[in-house]
Amino acid sequence: NAGVTQTPKFQVLKTGQSMTLQCAQDMNHNSMYWYRQDPGMGLRLIYYSASEGTTDKGEVPNGYNVSRLNKREFSLRLESAAPSQTSVYFCASKIEAARLGKLFFGSGTQLSVL
Amino acid sequence: KNEVEQSPQNLTAQEGEFITINCSYSVGISALHWLQQHPGGGIVSLFMLSSGKKKHGRLIATINIQEKHSSLHITASHPRDSAVYICAVRSQKPEGGSEKLVFGKGMKLTVNP
Repeated sequence: NAGVTQTPKFQVLKTGQSMTLQCAQDMNHNSMYWYRQDPGMGLRLIYYSASEGTTDKGEVPNGYNVSRLNKREFSLRLESAAPSQTSVYFCASKIEAARLGKLFFGSGTQLSVL
Repeated sequence: KNEVEQSPQNLTAQEGEFITINCSYSVGISALHWLQQHPGGGIVSLFMLSSGKKKHGRLIATINIQEKHSSLHITASHPRDSAVYICAVRSQKPEGGSEKLVFGKGMKLTVNP
């Protein structure tokens, strides 16, 4: 039981390049989330998916797109990376049906955009 | 004013000390999470509570809904407790809106041997 698996762990991009961050969970969770973490700030929600086939914008969605490919997988895409997107990205999941369910996080992706 | 405030921002303690980390919030909530982020970056959920107190090993989390305040206590602290501790609140749904999870900035704890 791997929990939440997030890839890659590190990535360096040039401005304008695109990339996709992959996230998969094997806990049969309904809800999945993408956060970014910047120095001196709390985690901020980029996008979330309450269930397979649905996605919604979070607090900072500009410059990102997401796909909930199936119940297990939730990917985050940067179409044209900008230096402002340099950050650490975390995928997370939880069982929404258990309303007070714990969050489970991936190990994070450190992204630098030059 | 941030919706979730943590204090102190940094704390250095000696091994064995009793440590208290505070979290205050300004919105109505349905639940509060305490998370631990180790130097390697991984984030682990420690507690999720909506009332009262929870205990796991040397960690105790309490919440006072009326005062909008939660504390995380570490008894007999150890260098392996060195990490960033993050408080997050699940805010209640505003009319017509949806719940959201709001994170504090975290508190960096260093426990020296």
